Amino acid sequence: KAGVTQTPRYLIKTRGQQVTLSCSPISGHRSVSWYQQTPGQGLQFLFEYFSETQRNKGNFPGRFSGRQFSNSRSEMNVSTLELGDSALYLCASSLVTSGATQETQYFGPGTRLLVL
Amino acid sequence: AQKVTQAQTEISVVEKEDVTLDCVYETRDTTYYLFWYKQPPSGELVFLIRRNSFDEQNEISGRYSWNFQKSTSSFNFTITASQVVDSAVYFCALSDSFSGNTPLVFGKGTRLSVIA
Repeated sequence: KAGVTQTPRYLIKTRGQQVTLSCSPISGHRSVSWYQQTPGQGLQFLFEYFSETQRNKGNFPGRFSGRQFSNSRSEMNVSTLELGDSALYLCASSLVTSGATQETQYFGPGTRLLVL
Repeated sequence: AQKVTQAQTEISVVEKEDVTLDCVYETRDTTYYLFWYKQPPSGELVFLIRRNSFDEQNEISGRYSWNFQKSTSSFNFTITASQVVDSAVYFCALSDSFSGNTPLVFGKGTRLSVIA
């Protein structure tokens, strides 16, 4: 099976612009989560989508948003970019089964965003 | 609140030495999951192991082994006979399963350098 794919891999934007990142999960995986990784804050959870609905959300401002499509692919959008948004954005997918079992999250290679 | 502490920021060893990466966690939940991920320079988080709170049996996989001790809230990772390819940042992560697929809480990571 192909792994999680993310596009683009690298991105350079300027302050005030907006950006859209894309994530395609492993085939059959229905949950997609997004994480931000920075040297200072480490890995922080942004949000999780399942069946086109946001189920969990981290502590990030409203400039960060996302969505999931019917084929489980997900996009995240950051509006009005700030210098501090420079980070590696990682997407993870997991196979969701019935019950309250924590499934393993498999990560993509990430999108490295640089805001100038 | 959940918390993961990886006190070792950086470790450097000579090839073929054994090395242990420490992970201490905090949670009020009785049901939870622990994970280890490896992040090579390429950036992708590679899943290594998942362990639930009811299974304290230690695990060995080739040169890798994990020691889970609920009494000390620790989930340590040992690499035996380290190799240069083991050089990476290793993350310990925690999640509960109270509400289904929940976000991972990561430690700050331990950067392992294996010198030939």
